[in-house]
Amino acid sequence: GAGVSQSPRYKVAKRGQDVALRCDPISGHVSLFWYQQALGQGPEFLTYFQNEAQLDKSGLPSDRFFAERPEGSVSTLKIQRTQQEDSAVYLCASSLVRDRGRQPQHFGDGTRLSIL
Amino acid sequence: AQSVAQPEDQVKVAEGNPLTVKCTYSVSGNPYLFWYVQYPNRGLQFLLKYITGDNLVKGSYGFEAEFNKSQTSFHLKKPSALVSDSALYFCAVNSGGYQKVTFGIGTKLQVIP
Repeated sequence: GAGVSQSPRYKVAKRGQDVALRCDPISGHVSLFWYQQALGQGPEFLTYFQNEAQLDKSGLPSDRFFAERPEGSVSTLKIQRTQQEDSAVYLCASSLVRDRGRQPQHFGDGTRLSIL
Repeated sequence: AQSVAQPEDQVKVAEGNPLTVKCTYSVSGNPYLFWYVQYPNRGLQFLLKYITGDNLVKGSYGFEAEFNKSQTSFHLKKPSALVSDSALYFCAVNSGGYQKVTFGIGTKLQVIP
């Protein structure tokens, strides 16, 4: 596609429910990142994929967070037993080449998650 | 560890005047520096980057930034601000190899007509 696509754009869930957020990166992009952006803050790194391999998951805040990219394209971020502190915008970004830090990332518009 | 500081939560400037949005960084080794812009309810859009070479980098929409190694700064500038430049601006850094990018907390730019 023309850009990074994220769905849903908005998600409201009750505390304790599981949610799944989808990211469809730009076709052919090798690197994929997930970020969490709290209100009034900059994006905070969650996890990084190179193709289907999850190379860094050091930013995932707890074991309730899980991400996958099984075929090296679409990625899903899953949050189990959601808590109110999970409320944030979740951003996905991709870049063309194996990311050696030089390439800018292309961001989707994010999923705004609200936990009631 | 790497970090980015954006010391101003908000910058206000009159339309037509020059603007500066400040950024300082801390990183081990040589930095890769980026500026992104975010409009309401949208993702971040890349503006410009410094990897190596000339300290003055030109980017999209007339923006430029100056890398200053001695002051560990990478301030964003534009000679003449437009109302449409009003948005949230993020500075970001990494140190190459694979390194996760670290973002600042953002500076809200308001251009007053």
